[in-house]
Amino acid sequence: AQKITQTQPGMFVQEKEAVTLDCTYDTSDPSYGLFWYKQPSSGEMIFLIYQGSYDQQNATEGRYSLNFQKARKSANLVISASQLGDSAMYFCAMREVIILTGGGNKLTFGTGTQLKVEL
Amino acid sequence: DAGITQSPRHKVTETGTPVTLRCHQTENHRYMYWYRQDPGHGLRLIHYSYGVKDTDKGEVSDGYSVSRSKTEDFLLTLESATSSQTSVYFCATGQAYYGYTFGSGTRLTVV
Repeated sequence: AQKITQTQPGMFVQEKEAVTLDCTYDTSDPSYGLFWYKQPSSGEMIFLIYQGSYDQQNATEGRYSLNFQKARKSANLVISASQLGDSAMYFCAMREVIILTGGGNKLTFGTGTQLKVEL
Repeated sequence: DAGITQSPRHKVTETGTPVTLRCHQTENHRYMYWYRQDPGHGLRLIHYSYGVKDTDKGEVSDGYSVSRSKTEDFLLTLESATSSQTSVYFCATGQAYYGYTFGSGTRLTVV
């Protein structure tokens, strides 16, 4: 079963507009973490934002915010005031603690959303 | 200086030959991961390590083995490379509960 689901293979947004990238997850672990990474065309993976499962407030980092809805198991990324430099692939990821391996952290990614910012 | 170094950056190899990719970190991170990235599949976990000599399989481990004899090095071996293993391979490391760091990737082509 898919642990992380990103249902939008591609998205377009006008410059200066806000955009929401969807991410749903599946876990039975009460302690987990959710991440968003950006991958520009150059290929590097850039960490954007993190949300812990016990965090009461939604995470924010500059123009990035994470809309965390625990009951729905969703962790959508909101980018405000889009810029041309935001054009990239965006990945949602989940960290789970694997008890059987003595607490090893397993980090699983979704298939990504390709975002294109237009003038 | 880069905290994570992957080598080689590019490699072309023939079907049936063994290949080893190296991930070296200077961060003293406990956790290390190997992923492959293919169009339409995102990043898929091959193997991960949660300590020296402690490793576990990911979702696409068939045809791959790993070793971690010291904290800083995590090796990924393709015992007998196949064309389906042509991909971009990423190594990642982490210590705390957030902020995993990625290497620059290795582009492997199996002909």
